[in-house]
Amino acid sequence: DAKTTQPPSMDCAEGRAANLPCNHSTISGNEYVYWYRQIHSQGPQYIIHGLKNNETNEMASLIITEDRKSSTLILPHATLRDTAVYYCIVKGAQKLVFGQGTRLTINP
Amino acid sequence: ETGVTQSPTHLIKTRGQQVTLRCSSQSGHNTVSWYQQALGQGPQFIFQYYREEENGRGNFPPRFSGLQFPNYSSELNVNALELDDSALYLCASSLGTSGGPAGEQFFGPGTRLTVL
Repeated sequence: DAKTTQPPSMDCAEGRAANLPCNHSTISGNEYVYWYRQIHSQGPQYIIHGLKNNETNEMASLIITEDRKSSTLILPHATLRDTAVYYCIVKGAQKLVFGQGTRLTINP
Repeated sequence: ETGVTQSPTHLIKTRGQQVTLRCSSQSGHNTVSWYQQALGQGPQFIFQYYREEENGRGNFPPRFSGLQFPNYSSELNVNALELDDSALYLCASSLGTSGGPAGEQFFGPGTRLTVL
């Protein structure tokens, strides 16, 4: 499984867009990029995933670079409830390999 | 649609004891994965069960074992508990085992195990 690199922490003002970067330079052609988040003491929550193209759902947008070596998760209008640890995961078969994630704090 | 549930929510055991944790998968899901999350760390993959068979295992000793039942619910058993086994144990269910859309995993709230 390819490894990912994320900044350990980020801050964002409420109502602004939160842009969370992730590097996955060793990703292989059949591996997807997944994003999960974990609010304190709860189970991780699926956010979005993609292979090559940019993706958008009701929660977020995922921008994957053309070479697929990095991606950015965008929360368009962050709220206080978006404060959580965000995990970027490159997934092949079976398991999710979690790193340390990015602790995102949304400030009022 | 019922989500993933886990029981118990909290558990306290002493070193050397055995523990069984339970997980009910989301309706329609045939795959269950178990993860251990130590305080301040990301979840670590323990193993996965697909249609009642173990389908991959992480770097955990044999005293961590599991079962999946015909209704796709699952158990995680840990023998000879050690202090370092204190963690949040997470269960995730999914449909299928491959990467991509079919591999999206839905997590339960976890069981907090404390070993004294």
